[in-house]
Order: sequence, then structure tokens, then C-alpha cells
Amino acid sequence: ETGVTQTPRHLVMGMTNKKSLKCEQHLGHNAMYWYKQSAKKPLELMFVYSLEERVENNSVPSRFSPECPNSSHLFLHLHTLQPEDSALYLCASSPNSGTPNTEAFFGQGTRLTVV
Amino acid sequence: GENVEQHPSTLSVQEGDSAVIKCTYSDSASNYFPWYKQELGKRPQLIIDIRSNVGEKKDQRIAVTLNKTAKHFSLHITETQPEDSAVYFCAASKGSTLGRLYFGRGTQLTVWP
Repeated sequence: ETGVTQTPRHLVMGMTNKKSLKCEQHLGHNAMYWYKQSAKKPLELMFVYSLEERVENNSVPSRFSPECPNSSHLFLHLHTLQPEDSALYLCASSPNSGTPNTEAFFGQGTRLTVV
Repeated sequence: GENVEQHPSTLSVQEGDSAVIKCTYSDSASNYFPWYKQELGKRPQLIIDIRSNVGEKKDQRIAVTLNKTAKHFSLHITETQPEDSAVYFCAASKGSTLGRLYFGRGTQLTVWP
């Protein structure tokens, strides 16, 4: 286990539903990330949080809304998603200040299916 | 932004043979190049990384080489075993204290016994 836990592991939701993905890390890291992994595409960086502040949003549609209440928890709120949003959503964390270019530790991901 | 290309997309080898996966990157400011292994149904996990001040790094059966001039880096697995079968991702990161990683598309490696 890498210390990054995601829940739920699997989620099926309708296009009109609202759901949230949760990520929790107990590694003492203060940077957290959401990645999207679709079939036959590179891992796509969605959001970056550093010290609970969003520092990067890579042109992600507003139907995805991240929240980082503290350095150990990261959420991804979902609403009115499209079938093409079906993918594996991976959370990751890494150390931040004073440690350049360090390993990102991934959670096991949430397999999301939008019907 | 950074663009990382990875080849091949699939690779099949016989057990005991070597496997090589190649990546190129576009941003000369990139200076950290990790490789992740993702087994079926599992999370990506770092297997080896290299920084731009080093040309080669080896860890048992795994080695990575970096050519900064040509902006490409490669993963070499020797004496492959069936448990090496997985998707391998290369990534690049540039001069930041955050782990912003730009990933390649991945290579599905299959090692036949």
C-alpha cells in the first residue's frame, strides 16, 4: 500500500446524478492531484493542489469540481457528467516545498461509469 | 506545455528476452523522468527514475538511459519474467517542486513463458 486511499473503488452514475470521489493520504504530503486515465490515452493531469490551494486546472469542464479541505483529503465532485467521462480517476500525492521533482504516489483509483 | 511520446504501444517478448521502451519529450526544461508500472487493476507505481544530471541508472534488471540532447529516454528490462507483464508509463516533469507529471500513452508489455 502506498498510503493513498481512494473511495469508492467503483461508481456507476446517471448523467443527472451528483456524486463525489474521495482521496485520503497519510504520508505527510502537502501536494495532491487528480488524474484521469482513459483507454488508449495518456494519464491526464486534471487538478493540482498545493497546501490546500488549487494551483492548476488543466482546462477541466466545470462539471468536475475539486475540493481540498486539508492537506490529507481531496475530493472530486461530479455533476451532470457525460458518458465520455467514464474513466479511471486516480488521485496522487507528493511532497511539496523544498523537494523538487519527487515521486508521485498514486491511489488505486475509482472506476467511473456514466450511463 | 510538455508533450511526451511513447513507443511502442504494445510489446510482446519471450521470457528471458530483453524489452526496450522509448520516450521522447518536447520541453528542454524537463529534468525529471520517472517510469511507472501499472499491473492490471492496480495503481501506477514508480519503478525507476532519472534526473537530467545523469545519463544512465540501473536497478537490478531495470535500467533507464537519458539523452538530453536528443530529448529521449528509454527503459530497458533484461531477463524478462512473466510478472513483468504490465503497462509501463514514462513521464516528464520540469523544474518544479510539485510532482506535475506529463505522461506518455503507455506500453502494454506481455512476457510469454
